Amino acid sequence: EVQLVESGGGLVQPGGSLRLSCVASGFTISNNYMNWVRQAPGKGLEWVSVIYNDGSTRYADSVKGRFTISRDNSRNTLYLQMNSLRTEDTAVYYCVRGSSWYDYWGQGALVTVSS
Amino acid sequence: DIEMTQSPSSLSAAVGDRGTITCRASQRISTYLNWYQQKPGKAPKLLINAASNLQSGVPSRFSGSGSGTDFTLTISSLQPEDFATYYCQQSYSTPYTFGQGTKLEI
Repeated sequence: EVQLVESGGGLVQPGGSLRLSCVASGFTISNNYMNWVRQAPGKGLEWVSVIYNDGSTRYADSVKGRFTISRDNSRNTLYLQMNSLRTEDTAVYYCVRGSSWYDYWGQGALVTVSS
Repeated sequence: DIEMTQSPSSLSAAVGDRGTITCRASQRISTYLNWYQQKPGKAPKLLINAASNLQSGVPSRFSGSGSGTDFTLTISSLQPEDFATYYCQQSYSTPYTFGQGTKLEI
């Protein structure tokens, strides 16, 4: 069974940092495109970042230069390092598998950026 | 970026009604269009990919159609568990953008 379990969310002050983790089971993340998608409270879905099976990465303009996506193949775990956080980064962050469509989603990790 | 616009933003309907949600892309995207269902407090669930391909386990009352810039999600006979928010997403070019969502309410 495919499962994605996020952790690492919490409350952080503006300008602070946080790292999200996503442990995958039932498949190998290095053979798949893995994404982070976020949803601000009461708002729609926004793609944040992707790491391709070849290890290359891409970012939404809104997070470029501040967020870094990575993976640990030995742990089958995806990460999102978030630096210089802003209030507008407050959202539930989902770990998502998929290339042209997103077929498996984690339960989400809430990140709140507030003073 | 490709902009995706859904209509309506909210839809009130009754059990047994036919529900129709439309999604328009700001440029032609062939059939690179996916539909997701999201219930409160839950992650989105993929319903349809490539405009009309129903995911395994999704009831056959759901169907998708369209190509180019205009797409439709149809629920033939609404069931209580179908009341949720629906999102379209284009996967024609990165960043893969979503529509703003359509809330289907009783």
